Amino acid sequence: QKEVEQNSGPLSVPEGAIASLNCTYSDRVSQSFFWYRQYSGKSPELIMSIYSNGDKEDGRFTAQLNKASQYVSLLIRDSQPSDSATYLCAVHKMDTGRRALTFGSGTRLQVQP
Amino acid sequence: EAGVTQFPSHSVIEKGQTVTLRCDPISGHDNLYWYRRVMGKEIKFLLHFVKESKQDESGMPNNRFLAERTGGTYSTLKVQPAELEDSGVYFCASSQTGTGVGYTFGSGTRLTVV
Repeated sequence: QKEVEQNSGPLSVPEGAIASLNCTYSDRVSQSFFWYRQYSGKSPELIMSIYSNGDKEDGRFTAQLNKASQYVSLLIRDSQPSDSATYLCAVHKMDTGRRALTFGSGTRLQVQP
Repeated sequence: EAGVTQFPSHSVIEKGQTVTLRCDPISGHDNLYWYRRVMGKEIKFLLHFVKESKQDESGMPNNRFLAERTGGTYSTLKVQPAELEDSGVYFCASSQTGTGVGYTFGSGTRLTVV
């Protein structure tokens, strides 16, 4: 079992719709969670971080964390074609003192005009 | 503010040759990280520097990989001798101390070993 699981997609949504991206993780000691957006051939770009159960909103993005169920999700409201990219979920386990992130393989999002 | 800079952007070398990748972190960032993504796999951690010291090198795959960060500024990652399975994209990232682990990535070096 992978430590961080994501559906590879592609997830296709029409412009203006809500895109819902999901991520599950296996290690309960994971405590920090990140969503990165990566356009083809470009670097991963941090778009959201979440540390506590519940929702965190930033503009059109909402991150949701449920530690009991070990999942974290990213909602993108009013999706735009420019949101088309691969979205990477990453987790950090604070108990080890290490700063390494564990990444999922990413979900490719396609927003259809 | 300049971002994390990596070069070369692409490198094609033959099996058995040596390649050196370079990363210039954001100015003032003490933490520097190397990650890589091989074809079809996840981005995986290689190592972490705090200034010039290796804080965590648990992700380094074997002793063909050597990372240095002399003077605590830029870092190099040398692969010697390169093998076919070393092909992939090597990312560098940096962060300031005390800002958590959501760090900034460079655009990566695509390494192809033929």
